[in-house]
Amino acid sequence: DIQMTQSPSSLSASVGDRVTITCRASQSISSYLNWYQQKPGKAPNLLIYAASSLQSGVPSRFSGSGSGTDFTLTISSLQPEDFATYYCQQSYITPQTFGQGTKVEIK
Amino acid sequence: QVQLVQSGSELRKPGASVKVSCQASGYTFTSYAMSWVRQAPGQGLEWVGWVNTNTRNPTYAQGFTGRFVFSLDTSVSTAYLQITSLKAEDTAVYYCARLFYSGSGRFDYWGQGTLVTVSS
Repeated sequence: DIQMTQSPSSLSASVGDRVTITCRASQSISSYLNWYQQKPGKAPNLLIYAASSLQSGVPSRFSGSGSGTDFTLTISSLQPEDFATYYCQQSYITPQTFGQGTKVEIK
Repeated sequence: QVQLVQSGSELRKPGASVKVSCQASGYTFTSYAMSWVRQAPGQGLEWVGWVNTNTRNPTYAQGFTGRFVFSLDTSVSTAYLQITSLKAEDTAVYYCARLFYSGSGRFDYWGQGTLVTVSS
């Protein structure tokens, strides 16, 4: 199975901050990488697919980059509604595996 | 609009079975595969597997073979996840998620989740 490792596991940030979350795959997954946001008690929500494509309806402050084994999710200016847990997920090969999550908390 | 509506929370004793439903609306059910994802309390997301809604062919992740069974009722656009011989460690929220595949796959719509609690 492909292992997905996110860093950091958690971070504290202020409204307006630029936030970067990284995801590393244990082998090359080309651009088959998705990012999801999950708020407490809610289902995950797709933010970015194919490493850098913004899902319809997602604010443009979210962006993704990377290919191969190293990927980044960036929030350009953190908003109050962005405090949540973020997961990366590879869709290159079955089983489709998720990272362990990165919790973004209010500083 | 696309919606996936899951059945309500379930409480079962160890050894019992449970069947979770996921009813889709707003799109052609058989045009997209359906996946299931598990989230244990306070933990991350774990892919259970997926079912091809055209061929009914299921694929299960390792660790989810044998006791976990996907089924479909295409007449009512509903996918099911049945878990037999329940164990305490099956306690989790189970999500259905539509698998959109166009070059690369992604879970673009999710059900609200169904909490399955296994306790004596």
